[in-house]
Amino acid sequence: DQQVKQNSPSLSVQEGRISILNCDYTNSMFDYFLWYKKYPAEGPTFLISISSIKDKNEDGRFTVFLNKSAKHLSLHIVPSQPGDSAVYFCAASRDYGGATNKLIFGTGTLLAVQP
Amino acid sequence: DAGVTQSPTHLIKTRGQQVTLRCSPKSGHDTVSWYQQALGQGPQFIFQYYEEEERQRGNFPDRFSGHQFPNYSSELNVNALLLGDSALYLCASSSSQWGTDTQYFGPGTRLTVL
Repeated sequence: DQQVKQNSPSLSVQEGRISILNCDYTNSMFDYFLWYKKYPAEGPTFLISISSIKDKNEDGRFTVFLNKSAKHLSLHIVPSQPGDSAVYFCAASRDYGGATNKLIFGTGTLLAVQP
Repeated sequence: DAGVTQSPTHLIKTRGQQVTLRCSPKSGHDTVSWYQQALGQGPQFIFQYYEEEERQRGNFPDRFSGHQFPNYSSELNVNALLLGDSALYLCASSSSQWGTDTQYFGPGTRLTVL
């Protein structure tokens, strides 16, 4: 049972344009969501997060949007740069603010930013 | 400020053997979680250690066990290795302080079982 889904295995975007990565979840108990970026032969690097009490969080070129009614979140990267080319993972957890909880990951989306 | 470190980087074992992987958390972190990432998949939660005890466990058999030391570092042990245990093993550290749920990952240990 895949509770966190990233339905697009890959995405190709031109440098300078917007990249939009999508993620859907099924468990309504999730209340904290994170995006990680992963280069080959490295561990995932934390990018940005959002709690379920918000619908948007911004950090520089990265913005995460959360639509709780649709159980959907998206990561926007503007403008996209070639160095953004990596696999992006969406992750979710329960009980934000309580004991640190396990993360449930999606299967990832490979972003390729073309120069 | 050192991030999460893991050792070794790569490991090759044969079926039936046992393996121990090591992790040192980021400075100031007291909680360590272990994840298994198979090829083409997202990381899957194995277990989490806090105050030297296993606090949460994912859907992994008892062949997977762990330990946390007083300095918060951790080990992952896998007994009776199977071919299907070949994967990238990731350690993540975090703080138990309220409102700091972000987990930070190490570079991983690539385990190959032949």
